[in-house]
Amino acid sequence: EVQLVESGGGLVQPGRSLRLSCTTSGFTFGDFAMSWVRQAPGKGLEWVGFIRSKTYGGTTEYAASVKGRFTISRDDSKSIAYLQMNSLKTEDTAVYYCNRGPATTWYSYYWGQGTLVTVSS
Amino acid sequence: QSALTQPASVSGSPGQSITISCTGTSSDIGGYNYVSWYQQHPGKAPKLMIYDVSNRPSGVSNRFSGSKSGNTASLTISGLQAEDEADYYCSSYTSSSTLGVFGGGTKLTVL
Repeated sequence: EVQLVESGGGLVQPGRSLRLSCTTSGFTFGDFAMSWVRQAPGKGLEWVGFIRSKTYGGTTEYAASVKGRFTISRDDSKSIAYLQMNSLKTEDTAVYYCNRGPATTWYSYYWGQGTLVTVSS
Repeated sequence: QSALTQPASVSGSPGQSITISCTGTSSDIGGYNYVSWYQQHPGKAPKLMIYDVSNRPSGVSNRFSGSKSGNTASLTISGLQAEDEADYYCSSYTSSSTLGVFGGGTKLTVL
């Protein structure tokens, strides 16, 4: 059974950093891209970014709103994806979901349950 | 403002059919058959309902169907049930970005 479990969320002050983890099981982690999507309270879904598999260079793509502040990485030996968030802003407050993908035709079937990040002084 | 435009809300009675539209441009919906739809219940993660415009993942009811015409994709739910009440998001690949785009979401109310 495929499972994705996010952790690391919490309350953090503006300007500080936080690292989220997405611990996975049930599939060959290294074969897949991994993404992060966020949802601000009462708002819609927003792509944060994703990291390709090593087969495709392990390169990353980011939304303009987080580029330069957020970094996605992966540890294929542990089957974990990370989202390092620096210089956090109040507008980064959201539930952060990791998901397996996107697939080549840009959809994601497996999602984690999400972890809440609150940026507030 | 979202790149894809969805109605904020739709409603229907049990047993009826409803359609949710998702309008984009020739850079996304109109140019590629890479449209997907997600269902999200309050406090839950999104669930993939349709991918590649009209394909249903295993386990998704055949009451859910997807289609596309020009720059507009549609999700149709037939035989509405109370459990269908949720938010629905469309998503598409776009040539204008290195990331996909989501619609703003549609709240479905089952009367």
